[in-house]
Amino acid sequence: TQLLEQSPQFLSIQEGENLTVYCNSSSVFSSLQWYRQEPGEGPVLLVTVVTGGEVKKLKRLTFQFGDARKDSSLHITAAQPGDTGLYLCAGTDSWGKFQFGAGTQVVVTP
Amino acid sequence: NAGVTQTPKFRILKIGQSMTLQCTQDMNHNYMYWYRQDPGMGLKLIYYSVGAGITDKGEVPNGYNVSRSTTEDFPLRLELAAPSQTSVYFCASSSGPPALGQPQHFGDGTRLSIL
Repeated sequence: TQLLEQSPQFLSIQEGENLTVYCNSSSVFSSLQWYRQEPGEGPVLLVTVVTGGEVKKLKRLTFQFGDARKDSSLHITAAQPGDTGLYLCAGTDSWGKFQFGAGTQVVVTP
Repeated sequence: NAGVTQTPKFRILKIGQSMTLQCTQDMNHNYMYWYRQDPGMGLKLIYYSVGAGITDKGEVPNGYNVSRSTTEDFPLRLELAAPSQTSVYFCASSSGPPALGQPQHFGDGTRLSIL
């Protein structure tokens, strides 16, 4: 069973557009992480959120953790081709179970 | 800046053969993990270790074995390769448990095909 549901599965946009990807669950998470994976490489951590309602910004990326700590979103402003990659959320629920979501493949074309 | 190193990068096996995927890290991390990644399925945890001499099953351990004799090394063994084990395998390490939000550092993966 998939603890974390990510949507959409695939997103293709033009350079300069904005995009949002989502990570949802019916479980409460003690912490949630976002990773980006480029072809031929392992995932790299972008951010960790731990507090309900928390918003973190990393240059053009904005991460939000839901108030109830069951969901999270990643918003990219003015996307660039370098943002292309597989975006994965991962979290630990209140039972200590850690799992990755299936990911959202983002393609930004010039 | 080696981080997590996996070898080999690519391998083709015949059904029934065995092999060991190597993983070593130079960050003195206690926690180490093996994942497999199949298209559209994200990362599935195979085995993990919280320190030398301690290993435990993850979500999909069947068909695999691990050992952790040192802090640095965490090899993954496939005893009887099956086509269902065709996948990309990632090793990762962290200084603490995921529950505390500790980041995992990944290797570049081993692409394994079973024919």
